[in-house]
Amino acid sequence: DIQMTQSPSSLSASVGDRVTITCRPSQSITRYLNWYQQKPGKAPKLLIYEASTLQDGVPSRFSGSGFGTDFTLTISSLQPEDFATYYCQQSYKTLVFGGGTKVDIK
Amino acid sequence: QVQLVQSGAEVKKPGASVKVSCRVTGYTLSESAMHWVRQAPGKALEWMGGFDPEDGETVYSQNFQGRVTMTEDTSTDTAYMEVSSLTSEDTAVYYCATAIFTSGWYFDSWGQGTLVTVSS
Repeated sequence: DIQMTQSPSSLSASVGDRVTITCRPSQSITRYLNWYQQKPGKAPKLLIYEASTLQDGVPSRFSGSGFGTDFTLTISSLQPEDFATYYCQQSYKTLVFGGGTKVDIK
Repeated sequence: QVQLVQSGAEVKKPGASVKVSCRVTGYTLSESAMHWVRQAPGKALEWMGGFDPEDGETVYSQNFQGRVTMTEDTSTDTAYMEVSSLTSEDTAVYYCATAIFTSGWYFDSWGQGTLVTVSS
C-alpha cells in the first residue's frame, strides 16, 4: 500500500503568515492528490483536487502544487478561519489519507 | 443544494453490529458514488470503501474487507454502511461522502458524521 507522510504534524502560526504543508507518498502518484480542511467536530471540506485545482468557493489564498512524490499545500496569508487540521489524500491506488497537520494560533 | 444527512449516534457492545444510514437530498443516489470514511477520536481520516460506477461494484479497503457491508436503497436515496464484530477500536465518527471521479477520486460532499461508541 502507498503510505502518505504529511509534515509537519502540527504548526503554530500567526494571522497573515504564509503556511506550507507537505505531503509525500511512498511512491509516485502522478497528480492524484487532494487536500481537505477539517475543523473540530465538523466534516472535512475539500480544498484542492488533482494536486492544484481549487474547489469552487475556496479562497484563492489556498494553493496546491506538486507531482509524483512531493506535494505542497500553501496558505498565502493565514486568516482566523484557517486554523484547522489539513489532510492530504491520494487516489492513485485505493484511497489513502495522510496523518494530518494541525494549524493552531501562535 | 446537495446534502447528506446521517443517522444519529449509536452505542454498541463488543461483538455487535451497527448500521449507519446516509440520506441524500438535492440529487439522487443513483447519480452519485457514495463512499464511507471513519475517524477514531484524535486520529486521522480512514477510507473504508465505496461505489465505483466504472465497475458497477462496491470496493472495500483491505482493512475492512469481510467485516463491512455497504448498500444502497435508490427508492429512498439512502445509503447504508454496516460494520459487524465491533471492538473498541471501531469507536469512531463515521462519515458518508460523495466521490467524484475525474482522473482520480476526491470527496466533494460530506455527511455530518455519526458517532459510534463501542463499550461494554
